[in-house]
Amino acid sequence: LAKTTQPISMDSYEGQEVNITCSHNNIATNDYITWYQQFPSQGPRFIIQGYKTKVTNEVASLFIPADRKSSTLSLPRVSLSDTAVYYCLVGASGAGSYQLTFGKGTKLSVIP
Amino acid sequence: DAGVTQSPTHLIKTRGQQVTLRCSPISGHKSVSWYQQVLGQGPQFIFQYYEKEERGRGNFPDRFSARQFPNYSSELNVNALLLGDSALYLCASSLGGSGWQETQYFGPGTRLLVL
Repeated sequence: LAKTTQPISMDSYEGQEVNITCSHNNIATNDYITWYQQFPSQGPRFIIQGYKTKVTNEVASLFIPADRKSSTLSLPRVSLSDTAVYYCLVGASGAGSYQLTFGKGTKLSVIP
Repeated sequence: DAGVTQSPTHLIKTRGQQVTLRCSPISGHKSVSWYQQVLGQGPQFIFQYYEKEERGRGNFPDRFSARQFPNYSSELNVNALLLGDSALYLCASSLGGSGWQETQYFGPGTRLLVL
């Protein structure tokens, strides 16, 4: 079962770039890394997913080093509406079934 | 298009009772997953179903069970409720063809309070 570690909280000013790193030391060879965003009283919302190197979409970038033991979510020019909890998700499969592991999440607070 | 819907939105039960939570996936999605989220913690995986078959199970006691119906909707049952079962129960759906790594779309959750 892949275990993940993230910083508990981060603060950032509006307009800055924010990088949140997740450690996943025992990630399996075929596992992907997925990041979700969650606002209070709502279900998590998909942000980005990657396997290796760099992935970019309209809202974020994901950097994954060659050893894949960590990943970094990059949010460019954050705004107040980016204040939320961010989770990295790593899956581990075995014996025909799946185990999905959310980290404890990083609470990002964007300051005006 | 409607997103993932869950019912009820809130529920209060007493210890020892049983509860059934319901989830309707996005149209065209064949996989449903259930998560438990205790206040201040990340979601914890309970089950994943695809085409009515269990495809994944988390570390939860046998008091937790689930099933998926031919229309791909799903129910989560919890028997002999404990105070510690108080949480937000999230349902997520995905297309289902490529395993858990597909993007999961979450519903708003059912908040269960056990007294």
